[in-house]
Amino acid sequence: EVQLVQSGPEMKKPGESLRISCKGFGYSFTDYWIGWVRQMPGKGLEWMGIVDPGDSETRYNPSFQGQVTISADKSINTAYLQWGSLRASDTAMYYCARHRHPRVRGGTDSFEIWGQGTVVTVSS
Amino acid sequence: EIVLTQSPGTLSLSPGERAALSCRASQSVSSNYLAWYQQRPGQAPRLLMYGASIRATGIPDRFSGGGSGTDFTLTINRLEPEDFAVFYCQLYGPSPPFTFGQGTKLEI
Repeated sequence: EVQLVQSGPEMKKPGESLRISCKGFGYSFTDYWIGWVRQMPGKGLEWMGIVDPGDSETRYNPSFQGQVTISADKSINTAYLQWGSLRASDTAMYYCARHRHPRVRGGTDSFEIWGQGTVVTVSS
Repeated sequence: EIVLTQSPGTLSLSPGERAALSCRASQSVSSNYLAWYQQRPGQAPRLLMYGASIRATGIPDRFSGGGSGTDFTLTINRLEPEDFAVFYCQLYGPSPPFTFGQGTKLEI
């Protein structure tokens, strides 16, 4: 079965660093871009950025560039979203999602397979 | 950055009725890059349509999508109880950011 499994909930303090993960199962991990989507409490979906696990090419939403780092380790079929210094406003659910089609140039594709989400809470 | 505006914000209908959800882009876009998602409470989003009018795998034919230029529509015929959720449109090309609309809540 094709699935993305995300790491568990996180509770952090402002200023701390964090890396959450998303592991792919049941498909060729390097063939599909993976993206990250933020959903703040009671709010809509925000596209953060994507990574091509095959060559680690990334594309970011300018609103998130410099605030987070998206990466992938193809040797263990895992994508990551990381923060160097968390803020209370980073409190949200974060979803990883896989593109529908393989090897799409430029990463222009919809998200067909979604992880279960990782809740990140940042509070002092 | 292209902005997607969805309307209405909330749509109140009954099972068996037909729903029409709108997604308007701030400038003309290619329908090749327009997707719709459904998000039920407590669940991850689910892809419904891509390329504006192509149903994703396993999506019943009660769901249909269309439109071009700046105006796109998701239509759901014969509403079932499980259809009531929040729906988002997304533009995923030609260049980032691949933004989502703010969502339409379909409620009973």
